[in-house]
Amino acid sequence: DIQMTQSPSSLSASVGDRVTITCRASQDIGYYLTWYQQKPGEVPKVLIYTASTLQSGVPSRFSGSGSGTDFTLTISSLQPEDVATYYCQKYNIAPFTFGPGTKVDLK
Amino acid sequence: QVQLQESGPGLVKPSQTLFLTCTVSGGSISNDNYYWSWIRQPAGKGLEWIGRVYSSGSTNYNPSLKSRVTISVDTSKTRFSLKLTSVTAADTAIYYCARDNSGYDDYYYYYMDVWGTGTTVTVSS
Repeated sequence: DIQMTQSPSSLSASVGDRVTITCRASQDIGYYLTWYQQKPGEVPKVLIYTASTLQSGVPSRFSGSGSGTDFTLTISSLQPEDVATYYCQKYNIAPFTFGPGTKVDLK
Repeated sequence: QVQLQESGPGLVKPSQTLFLTCTVSGGSISNDNYYWSWIRQPAGKGLEWIGRVYSSGSTNYNPSLKSRVTISVDTSKTRFSLKLTSVTAADTAIYYCARDNSGYDDYYYYYMDVWGTGTTVTVSS
């Protein structure tokens, strides 16, 4: 099975900072990647699918890029409401494995 | 507006079988072109995809759980269920059901767009 990794596992940043999270697949998964945001005590919410398509209603400060094995989620200007754990998920073929998550908090 | 709600026992003894149900309201499992998934999350840890079922009964499972998991759709098409056998403490988690939204729009897209609130399952004697 294809394994998903994320880095860093956690980060602290200041309001207004640019934040970058990396997701890596152990094999080529094309563009078949979705990003989720899970705030404390809440269920996950989809941010980006097909690696770079912003879900309707998601702020434009979020963006995704990459294909193949390396993907990036970027928050262009971190806001207090972005404190959350971010997960990538592959969906080229089952199992639709999640990455281990990246926890983002405020410095 | 489709809503999902998980239900089942909060406590299961080791070696027993866990049964959870996800009730779909505001829509029908059989009328729409969706898969229906189960995901779990141990306290303070990450998400684990368990598997999914289509209205026809077709399924996909996580190989790490495949020998113990069965996901099914009931005949009324308003619920789908998870059965997990031979549970251990490692199966203690919040269990979520979710709707898979997928299709083609220039590219093949997939995401879980509707989630239940989750139900906590503890495996303990």
